[in-house]
Amino acid sequence: DTAVSQTPKYLVTQMGNDKSIKCEQNLGHDTMYWYKQDSKKFLKIMFSYNNKELIINETVPNRFSPKSPDKAHLNLHINSLELGDSAVYFCASSGGPSYGYTFGSGTRLTVV
Amino acid sequence: TQLLEQSPQFLSIQEGENLTVYCNSSSVFSSLQWYRQEPGEGPVLLVTVVTGGEVKKLKRLTFQFGDARKDSSLHITAAQPGDTGLYLCAGTFSGTYKYIFGTGTRLKVLA
Repeated sequence: DTAVSQTPKYLVTQMGNDKSIKCEQNLGHDTMYWYKQDSKKFLKIMFSYNNKELIINETVPNRFSPKSPDKAHLNLHINSLELGDSAVYFCASSGGPSYGYTFGSGTRLTVV
Repeated sequence: TQLLEQSPQFLSIQEGENLTVYCNSSSVFSSLQWYRQEPGEGPVLLVTVVTGGEVKKLKRLTFQFGDARKDSSLHITAAQPGDTGLYLCAGTFSGTYKYIFGTGTRLKVLA
């Protein structure tokens, strides 16, 4: 069983479209995250939810909207996609920062 | 603003060589983790260090946490092609909830 699973793995879409990425964790963790990894491999936090409540919202365009229906799921919806949104998006969960994070395998988003 | 600088940024070595990767910060870590990320996958947690001066070993990998908890190193002995990947340090800092990733070291081990 995959601990943190996200779908789809690859997403190619045209500018202006709206798309969603789904994430589920079966580790029983209270906290889930969305990270963006750019072409230089730098991982930057976007959002963090703790038990369905938003606790971190970094400087992200409001075209990005996370939704957590329950503590095991954290989805990311992106409106009006732009070329600059192309990146790999990672979902992660954690039982607490001192325990480290468990990551999904990523969604490579390409906007054309 | 806390920054985690890793060095070197890139490293290409022959199989069997030893190497050390460094992670440095200007602030004190509450805890620090090392991850390895392979192409097409997410980072995988290797180790957590918490206590200043702590040393942990994972097979051929040796992790050290600085006495002042501002830096850490990862030493690989007799590197193998399977060690190839992106190595990331990450941690939280005293007085903040933020979890920050380092700039990464891309390691390539040639057979």
